[in-house]
Amino acid sequence: AQKITQTQPGMFVQEKEAVTLDCTYDTSDQSYGLFWYKQPSSGEMIFLIYQGSYDEQNATEGRYSLNFQKARKSANLVISASQLGDSAMYFCAMTPYSSASKIIFGSGTRLSIRP
Amino acid sequence: GAVVSQHPSRVICKSGTSVKIECRSLDFQATTMFWYRQFPKQSLMLMATSNEGSKATYEQGVEKDKFLINHASLTLSTLTVTSAHPEDSSFYICSARTSGTGGRQETQYFGPGTRLLVL
Repeated sequence: AQKITQTQPGMFVQEKEAVTLDCTYDTSDQSYGLFWYKQPSSGEMIFLIYQGSYDEQNATEGRYSLNFQKARKSANLVISASQLGDSAMYFCAMTPYSSASKIIFGSGTRLSIRP
Repeated sequence: GAVVSQHPSRVICKSGTSVKIECRSLDFQATTMFWYRQFPKQSLMLMATSNEGSKATYEQGVEKDKFLINHASLTLSTLTVTSAHPEDSSFYICSARTSGTGGRQETQYFGPGTRLLVL
């Protein structure tokens, strides 16, 4: 079965601190992609970062980095130097490449940044 | 990143009417688009995969006669909620898949969503 698990329904972090959002996944596919999306209160889904299952290096995009531990099937998102604008829902997602690009989403983590 | 638009952004309709939602990829061609719905405080649930020039593929439990999908061109997919009822009230989001050419990995870009309220 394909599944994404996010165990943190909500998190509060002080501004300028780093934060790690947890994500574990389950798939029998050897090839897959992992994503993180941000959803602010407006509802739009904003693509943050992508990690391919065969990528040896952890993906980084500005203040976002993905801590990919393949053996543990985890793909945690690290946000460095958090900002007030980072307050939003964050979804971890996976595309098993056998599934014709379908994206499977986790339940999400609501991140709130305290000033 | 690639741009995907949705129209309308918000719609209120009476029970029993049909509502059409458009999803457009503005700066790239998308042979495949996806439709999701999201209830408050929940995750996105895939409803169907929209393929240009062919029938949509619906996820289990999604009524294809109620949620009509048409993907007539490489930049436009439409979702029509037929005979809408209050339980169809939700946030509907589309996404379009980029092809991953030119060294870019394949990824999906999402539209801004459409809030449907059926009275």
